Amino acid sequence: AQSVTQLGSHVSVSEGALVLLRCNYSSSVPPYLFWYVQYPNQGLQLLLKYTSAATLVKGINGFEAEFKKSETSFHLTKPSAHMSDAAEYFCAAREVDSSYKLIFGSGTRLLVRP
Amino acid sequence: NAGVTQTPKFQVLKTGQSMTLQCAQDMNHEYMSWYRQDPGMGLRLIHYSVGAGITDQGEVPNGYNVSRSTTEDFPLRLLSAAPSQTSVYFCASSYQQSYEQYFGPGTRLTVT
Repeated sequence: AQSVTQLGSHVSVSEGALVLLRCNYSSSVPPYLFWYVQYPNQGLQLLLKYTSAATLVKGINGFEAEFKKSETSFHLTKPSAHMSDAAEYFCAAREVDSSYKLIFGSGTRLLVRP
Repeated sequence: NAGVTQTPKFQVLKTGQSMTLQCAQDMNHEYMSWYRQDPGMGLRLIHYSVGAGITDQGEVPNGYNVSRSTTEDFPLRLLSAAPSQTSVYFCASSYQQSYEQYFGPGTRLTVT
């Protein structure tokens, strides 16, 4: 069964520094991959998605992610962190079949220091 | 267009009580699902539906029932609440041919 691993339950960066949140998937067939963001006491909002087109995917709020099949990874990056980026980030995968089920990683809480 | 709505926002139950969490969407999405979010565990799929009259179990279905009589509504029923069901519950929906799922704002449930 598909699984998604997010390394680091908490990541702390200074404002203006690079943000790197790690995500690895387990499937031998690359799934569809997603990054969601959750601000405090809110639902999840889609940041970006990989659906087997371009391997470098750009999302909202300056975030991007690169799909690397050889590393089974889909890490999320942002060149310069902003205080408003402080939130919890979830990586998720969906099998490339008729299933619509999303499998989520355990989440990474991003802290941004002034 | 309200998107995905959930009621109530907060609920406290005693062990053994039953209740229904409501979820509705006005986007004519075929696919709807329920997740629970627990600290350090991400979101786990409880039940899902690919259309009116069709439901199936997800990863953690025990203790929960669902039905889908209309395209718009997908209620989640707790038959006999247990403290282990204390969690935040999210409903989501999408078009069958779409990749993106749209999430509701969540229901925070505490079972004492």
